[in-house]
Amino acid sequence: EAGVVQSPRYKIIEKKQPVAFWCNPISGHNTLYWYLQNLGQGPELLIRYENEEAVDDSQLPKDRFSAERLKGVDSTLKIQPAELGDSAVYLCASSLSGTYNEQFFGPGTRLTVL
Amino acid sequence: GQQLNQSPQSMFIQEGEDVSMNCTSSSIFNTWLWYKQDPGEGPVLLIALYKAGELTSNGRLTAQFGITRKDSFLNISASIPSDVGIYFCAGQGSGGSNYKLTFGKGTLLTVNP
Repeated sequence: EAGVVQSPRYKIIEKKQPVAFWCNPISGHNTLYWYLQNLGQGPELLIRYENEEAVDDSQLPKDRFSAERLKGVDSTLKIQPAELGDSAVYLCASSLSGTYNEQFFGPGTRLTVL
Repeated sequence: GQQLNQSPQSMFIQEGEDVSMNCTSSSIFNTWLWYKQDPGEGPVLLIALYKAGELTSNGRLTAQFGITRKDSFLNISASIPSDVGIYFCAGQGSGGSNYKLTFGKGTLLTVNP
């Protein structure tokens, strides 16, 4: 069974540019999460989806970050415009609905903002 | 955001030695989880603990859910080179945020062959 797929794996951009990350969760997993992982830190939740609905986006900086999961499967996380402090790893995870402790993580996208 | 207190921050040990790391929190958690993260990869779940006082093993790994529900430890016995990586504890809450994982800052483990 394929795991959580993320692309790109690495992205280098200049500040003020837009950037987008894509995630394909494990087949059948209705719950999808985006996490931010700064260097030397554990992951921190940005947003959680149940199917196509964002049920918790309280930690998402909405002035520059946006996310969508239009058909309840793949998801995209966007930053516009990117700032130097956005350099981090963006992790996507998925789980079956109701099994929040069994979250499976993708490899992440490492973003560097110059 | 809220983080757990995980210690030690890093460990450098010889192959074959046992390792112990722990996590403490000011908040009560209903579930404690231990993850391992290899370079360039996402965290992988090692052990999940669901009851206060629970002691669970997974091969050479043993973890315990503290009685107060505010702490947990992970032991690795007879370490091998492939144990190298960053180990994270995570607590999962209750009520409205029962899905949310709060992670520690990780313990970097280096094993010298």
